Amino acid sequence: SYVVTQPPSLSVAPGETARITCGEINSRSQTVHWYQQRPGQAPAVVIHHDSDRPSGIPERISGSNSDNSATLTISGVEAGDEADYYCQVWDSTSDHRVFGGGTRLTVL
Amino acid sequence: QVQLQESGPGLVKPSETLSLTCTISGGSIRPYYWSWIRQPPGKGLEWIGHMYFTGGREYSPSLRSRVTMALDLSKNQFTLNLDSVTAADTAIYYCARHGLHTSDHHDPWGLGTLVTVSS
Repeated sequence: SYVVTQPPSLSVAPGETARITCGEINSRSQTVHWYQQRPGQAPAVVIHHDSDRPSGIPERISGSNSDNSATLTISGVEAGDEADYYCQVWDSTSDHRVFGGGTRLTVL
Repeated sequence: QVQLQESGPGLVKPSETLSLTCTISGGSIRPYYWSWIRQPPGKGLEWIGHMYFTGGREYSPSLRSRVTMALDLSKNQFTLNLDSVTAADTAIYYCARHGLHTSDHHDPWGLGTLVTVSS
């Protein structure tokens, strides 16, 4: 089965840049989406189609996808960014969706 | 603004069937895709399956033998049945809409409903 890898955790000081990777994305996945899940809340999309930001998401949150790996970048990290982040891909050969294992971002 | 609300029993006995309903308000089932996603306590997200408003569906290979999904266009509801549950099926269950294409992202999500499998 298709497995997408994420680092389980990342710690960043306030004001620094957090980069969360989503790896081993093969050519069957045409695009990557990213979700933020704060404690006790449902996930919410922060980046879709590799790099598109929904309305209300600040410009300091960005996404990229190249060379079989996608990256979610959060610049100027704030305490409110502390959350779990999940990447999600669509497998075009099976029409199935796959979530990465999630990355817990801790703001020091 | 579209809102999703999951509902169903919070406690299900082992070997029984888990049945959940997602009620969609502020929008229509057409012309979108709809997914069920679950999250065991303290763990990550798992896609269960999706349906298209025309009736097409895909299920996760790991759950395919036990899952049935349905859309009721007249009631604006999306349902999930999961047969022969075990403690491993204890999770928060979310319904979510995707866009017009099967590759689109999930947005919005329901708040989720916790289902515990226990005797």
